[in-house]
Amino acid sequence: GNSVTQMEGPVTLSEEAFLTINCTYTATGYPSLFWYVQYPGEGLQLLLKATKADDKGSNKGFEATYRKETTSFHLEKGSVQVSDSAVYFCALYAGNNRKLIWGLGTSLAVNP
Amino acid sequence: DAGITQSPRHKVTETGTPVTLRCHQTENHRYMYWYRQDPGHGLRLIHYSYGVKDTDKGEVSDGYSVSRSKTEDFLLTLESATSSQTSVYFCAISEGLNEQFFGPGTRLTVL
Repeated sequence: GNSVTQMEGPVTLSEEAFLTINCTYTATGYPSLFWYVQYPGEGLQLLLKATKADDKGSNKGFEATYRKETTSFHLEKGSVQVSDSAVYFCALYAGNNRKLIWGLGTSLAVNP
Repeated sequence: DAGITQSPRHKVTETGTPVTLRCHQTENHRYMYWYRQDPGHGLRLIHYSYGVKDTDKGEVSDGYSVSRSKTEDFLLTLESATSSQTSVYFCAISEGLNEQFFGPGTRLTVL
């Protein structure tokens, strides 16, 4: 079946450090891939998405590239800020039902 | 921001009592979802709706029921609340079967 695996957290970084959060997936066909972010005390919001192989999603300095050969969609940011502290969720939509498949989330804490 | 509200935002109740959570949208989106979020489990789908009066079960539907009599409202009912249902509940909406927009959440405590 379809599944998403994210690296376990928590991840703790200093401000201006480089961030990578790994996400790999298992799916039939050609899924759409998403990164969502949840700031403390809030609901989730879409950060970026990619709908086909080799697409790069980007937003707020974050990027992720849809790699079909490695079934991955790793989230990266070149220089994190304290305000990026949040929980990040990777998700996929495989098109064969009405549901998103979610990773367990990775907590990021950025220290000044 | 998508127009999604949840009510109540916080609730404390006792074991065995019925509880209803409401999700209201102003976006006229077709699909609506109820999730619960618990440490170590991420987001788990409880029930979802693909139209008025059309609903289906998610992965953790036991002990929960839903109703959708209007496009804009999706109700989640715990018929007899248990301590294991203490959680944060999120409603989400979608039009295109992929990107979902989330409400602010309801924190439910069952004593």
